[in-house]
Amino acid sequence: GQSLEQPSEVTAVEGAIVQINCTYQTSGFYGLSWYQQHDGGAPTFLSYNALDGLEETGRFSSFLSRSDSYGYLLLQELQMKDSASYFCAVRDRTAGNKLTFGGGTRVLVKP
Amino acid sequence: NAGVTQTPKFQVLKTGQSMTLQCAQDMNHNSMYWYRQDPGMGLRLIYYSASEGTTDKGEVPNGYNVSRLNKREFSLRLESAAPSQTSVYFCASRSENEKLFFGSGTQLSVL
Repeated sequence: GQSLEQPSEVTAVEGAIVQINCTYQTSGFYGLSWYQQHDGGAPTFLSYNALDGLEETGRFSSFLSRSDSYGYLLLQELQMKDSASYFCAVRDRTAGNKLTFGGGTRVLVKP
Repeated sequence: NAGVTQTPKFQVLKTGQSMTLQCAQDMNHNSMYWYRQDPGMGLRLIYYSASEGTTDKGEVPNGYNVSRLNKREFSLRLESAAPSQTSVYFCASRSENEKLFFGSGTQLSVL
């Protein structure tokens, strides 16, 4: 089966940097994705890593280490609008297109 | 280009009633998914479909059935609703570059 672990909550102030870690266990890792979800809304795609290293998209970056079964999402120059839940997700090649999500990390940005 | 269209947005059922949640995507994606999300929780996979004519169980399939009617449409049916199925349901489709696109969700209450 698959399992993903991420912290439940993180609080930071505007302008700060937040790192959300995700560790996973899966028998046939294919790739790690990150999604953002505001209260009452649907999740939206942020980033995808299939290979080791850092992917940067504006203020958000995502990192993957396949050997450590670990990744993180880095939120820089935090803004109030970044207050949301963030989910990591893995696709398992041995389970076809099964895509499993972690429990989510709630990020609260304070003024 | 509507993306993923999910209906209805809200539904109240009595225990034992049945209903079908409809989902359609216009992005020509092969893979489609149904998730449920309970308050403050992550997304749990109910069923998924890798392509037209195929469906597979996810983490929490009990009490649900699905139909991949064609490439566009993937419906979720509750044959005999139970209070434990009170949740927000999201349909999603996956692009070839690993992005999941979500519908706006269905808030279901079973009394």
